[in-house]
Amino acid sequence: ETGVTQSPTHLIKTRGQQVTLRCSSQSGHNTVSWYQQALGQGPQFIFQYYREEENGRGNFPPRFSGLQFPNYSSELNVNALELDDSALYLCASSQGLAGSYEQYFGPGTRLTVT
Amino acid sequence: RKEVEQDPGPFNVPEGATVAFNCTYSNSASQSFFWYRQDCRKEPKLLMSVYSSGNEDGRFTAQLNRASQYISLLIRDSKLSDSATYLCVVNFGAQGAQKLVFGQGTRLTINP
Repeated sequence: ETGVTQSPTHLIKTRGQQVTLRCSSQSGHNTVSWYQQALGQGPQFIFQYYREEENGRGNFPPRFSGLQFPNYSSELNVNALELDDSALYLCASSQGLAGSYEQYFGPGTRLTVT
Repeated sequence: RKEVEQDPGPFNVPEGATVAFNCTYSNSASQSFFWYRQDCRKEPKLLMSVYSSGNEDGRFTAQLNRASQYISLLIRDSKLSDSATYLCVVNFGAQGAQKLVFGQGTRLTINP
């Protein structure tokens, strides 16, 4: 167990709806990164939050947005859901920027868009 | 060309064998590299970072070749518990704008 928790574990939404996923980082960690993992693929980097500021973003459209709170927990928001958004969403926390520190992943949220 | 490419496998090898994976990356300015391991239906976990001089951790050896833009992972004396998907990760970003790119993973099965 890494100490990184995510909620909910599973979620079913309809195309066009909006969703919010939550992540609690491990104690002592100030950085949270979010990833989308489709079946049979590696995780795709969505963005990273370092001390409440976005620090780097992958190739995802603006309808993917996020927040990091003063306690370093984080939310991922996805608007106007599309069928292709169905995936496992992973968050990972680290002591500093993820390019320099080990990331600890949560168990993920499985999102299904119908 | 994909930013990070791995042979997806699957690799099926007998217990005790040596197995090697390669991973190529497209950004010559990349500064940090990692291998992660992901078990079926589990989250990824860091296996090892990859340093310029190469590094070893028990049965695992990681190497970086900047000129050819690839990293490798060697597993010696493989165990049944090594069965997993191995993910290559490259940091494409700079200090102020990180972008960690995962390969699609190489699936390894160790057979008794």
